[in-house]
Parts: sequence; C-alpha cells; structure tokens
Amino acid sequence: DTEVTQTPKHLVMGMTNKKSLKCEQHMGHRAMYWYKQKAKKPPELMFVYSYEKLSINESVPSRFSPECPNSSLLNLHLHALQPEDSALYLCASSQILAGGTGELFFGEGSRLTVL
Amino acid sequence: EDQVTQSPEALRLQEGESSSLNCSYTVSGLRGLFWYRQDPGKGPEFLFTLYSAGEEKEKERLKATLTKKESFLHITAPKPEDSATYLCAVHGGGTALIFGKGTTLSVSS
Repeated sequence: DTEVTQTPKHLVMGMTNKKSLKCEQHMGHRAMYWYKQKAKKPPELMFVYSYEKLSINESVPSRFSPECPNSSLLNLHLHALQPEDSALYLCASSQILAGGTGELFFGEGSRLTVL
Repeated sequence: EDQVTQSPEALRLQEGESSSLNCSYTVSGLRGLFWYRQDPGKGPEFLFTLYSAGEEKEKERLKATLTKKESFLHITAPKPEDSATYLCAVHGGGTALIFGKGTTLSVSS
C-alpha cells in the first residue's frame, strides 16, 4: 500500500471546468512534489514545496495552480485546461527537499483526461 | 546540462534469462543516482540509491552498480512479476531529480 494517497484516481473534465487534485501523506515528510507524466515518458517535475512554501515552479502554465495548506496536504487546482494537458499527475513526498537519499515516495497518480 | 540516457528502450526476456539495463549519465557533481520501478498506471516505486563509483546495492533478483559514467541494473533469473518500466534518475547540481526515459522490461514464462 502506498503511503501517499491521491484523489481522484481518474478525472475527466472539459476545457472550461475547474477541478482539483488532492494529495495526502502522513510520513512527516517536509517536501512535496507534483509531477506530470505522459504515456511512455518519464515524470516531469512541475512544482516543489518545502516546509509548505513553494520552492520550485518549473515554468508551468498558470492554468495549473498548486497549494499546500499544511505539511500533509498538497493540492493542484486546474482551470481552463487544454486537451494536451491530459496525463497522469503524480504526487510525491520526501523527508527533505531534493530527497536527501533520493527516495521519493510516489502516490498512484490521478489520471486526467481533458475533453 | 545534466542528462540521463537509458538503454535499451525495451527488453523482452524469458523467465530465468538474466540481463542488464543501462543508465548513462552526464551531471555536474553527482549527488546520487536512483533506480525506480513503475508498473503501468501506477506511480514509481523506489528501489536503490547509489552515491559513489564502485557502490553496489541488491534487492532480491536485482543488483544495481555504479561507475563514474553509468549505472547498471542487473536482473538475475527474472520472473514475470519483474515486468515493469525501470527508471533511472540522477541528483546533480539542481534541486530536482532528472529522470531517464526508462526501460520497459517484459518477462515471459
């Protein structure tokens, strides 16, 4: 069982919808990450939070808006997405930023389809 | 620019047929090299961390090794349940891991 929980597992939305992806971890990790993964491609880093502060934003379009309400929760708010944004969105956590040991704990992902 | 290249892109093995996956890297100041396993539609699962040339790590049928330019993931007597995509990642000068494109392993019985 994964210790990083993501909801929903599947999401279908239109280009005018507003939705959110949620991620939760209870391992006491202080760094949390959002990755985007297209089929047969490696995960691409989107955002990194360290101690609930946004540390890295990899030039992600503003239609993706991250939020870290507390040390256990990470949200990704979605608005006015494009069909090319359809992908598997992965949340991960690590003890500290950059992982220290590189051990990122990933959730099972949220499969997003934009119509 | 930090880069990670994995080969082959895909590998088909018979059960019990040992082989190796390669991860070549170019990074300014390697702070760690990592192997992950990813099953279809799931998030990656951490396998190993290697920090310095000559280091080796083992877990069941998997053994990871590291040189100054590349890492190998050796799979001994694989079973069908070892079928997955294996991702290599490096931690260099930046704060984020850089992933390779992965090797998709299929093991048939």
